[in-house]
Amino acid sequence: KAGVTQTPRYLIKTRGQQVTLSCSPISGHRSVSWYQQTPGQGLQFLFEYFSETQRNKGNFPGRFSGRQFSNSRSEMNVSTLELGDSALYLCASSAGTSGVTQYFGPGTRLTVL
Amino acid sequence: GENVEQHPSTLSVQEGDSAVIKCTYSDSASNYFPWYKQELGKRPQLIIDIRSNVGEKKDQRIAVTLNKTAKHFSLHITETQPEDSAVYFCAASKGGRGGADGLTFGKGTHLIIQP
Repeated sequence: KAGVTQTPRYLIKTRGQQVTLSCSPISGHRSVSWYQQTPGQGLQFLFEYFSETQRNKGNFPGRFSGRQFSNSRSEMNVSTLELGDSALYLCASSAGTSGVTQYFGPGTRLTVL
Repeated sequence: GENVEQHPSTLSVQEGDSAVIKCTYSDSASNYFPWYKQELGKRPQLIIDIRSNVGEKKDQRIAVTLNKTAKHFSLHITETQPEDSAVYFCAASKGGRGGADGLTFGKGTHLIIQP
């Protein structure tokens, strides 16, 4: 099976703009989770989607949002970008019902100038 | 919410020696504990995981132990090799029949294998 894929791999934006990142899970996986990775804060959970519904949410402001489509692909959106949003954004997929093991994608490196 | 502490932040061992990384968690409801390895510029890769109904799990040179009472779990790597050099993350979650829950990660351990 193909692994988790994310697009784009790199992104440069300026403060105040918004950005949309995309994640395609492993075929057959219905759960997609999003994480932010920074040198200072490490890996932090943003939210998880299962069957098009947000099932879990971390402690991030409302500027961070996401959605999941019927084919399990997921997008996350960050509005009104701040310098501190510069990070590696990782998505992970899991079977969602019988399995909890999460497999990560390569990430999207977002730089906010 | 859950809090995961990981120690040490950096670990340097001689090639062929063993390495041990320790994590503690705060939420007694957590029941799933994976370990990920992340090489520079790459995605985290699952290397081993353990569920709360198991005390120990082994996969070749890698083993994980879990002490539910003390709320801590450890990663053991034996006969370390240069390719083991990476950052290792522990994590905890309350994943259950409902599926994946958000993983709470430790801050990571930079493992350096000295030739």
